[in-house]
Amino acid sequence: EVQLVESGGGLVQPGGSLRLSCAASGFTISTYWMHWVRQVPGEGPVWVSRINSDGSSTKYADSVKGRFTISRDNAKNTLYLQMNSLRAEDTAVYYCARGQGGYSDSWYDYWGQGSRVTVSS
Amino acid sequence: DIVMTQSPDSLAVSLGERATISCKSSQSVLYSSNNKDYLAWYQQKPGQPPKLLIYWASTRESGVPDRFSGSGSGTDFTLTISSLQAEDVAVYYCHQYYNNPAFGQGTRLEIK
Repeated sequence: EVQLVESGGGLVQPGGSLRLSCAASGFTISTYWMHWVRQVPGEGPVWVSRINSDGSSTKYADSVKGRFTISRDNAKNTLYLQMNSLRAEDTAVYYCARGQGGYSDSWYDYWGQGSRVTVSS
Repeated sequence: DIVMTQSPDSLAVSLGERATISCKSSQSVLYSSNNKDYLAWYQQKPGQPPKLLIYWASTRESGVPDRFSGSGSGTDFTLTISSLQAEDVAVYYCHQYYNNPAFGQGTRLEIK
């Protein structure tokens, strides 16, 4: 069974940092593009970042570029999102998602349950 | 960037009746080289992540009931639930993956 389990969220002050992890099971992440998507409750999801199968290609939404870093450890079957210089507007539930179809941009066939990040003083 | 706009924002339909949700993109998401529309639909229930229903605008994901169908091309798309069931109460989102992925604002579907 495919599973994605996020961890590392929590309450952080503006300007602080957090590192989210997404542990995958039931499949090998090394053969998939992987994504982070965030969602403010009551709003639509917003794509944050993606990384290719070997980690050599990454892309970010303009809103997080220069502050967030996506990475992966295929040996641990785990995806990461390092979030620095956090702002109040980064407050959201963060999901990791598996991209399907072998494309850099594609639909997401599996999502984690989400990790809540709250940026507040 | 491509902006996705769904309508209506909320919808109440009687059990067994048809529900129709519209999604419009600010520019075409049809890729001419493969004639595919880069559009997906998801269902989200409270406290859960989005669940994939449809991709390539009209291809149903494995395990999704056949009462769910997607149609449209270019900039105008529709998700149809042919006979509403109680378990279909949720928020539905369209998602373009043509360029710089973007989601619609969501349509809340309720029972009338």
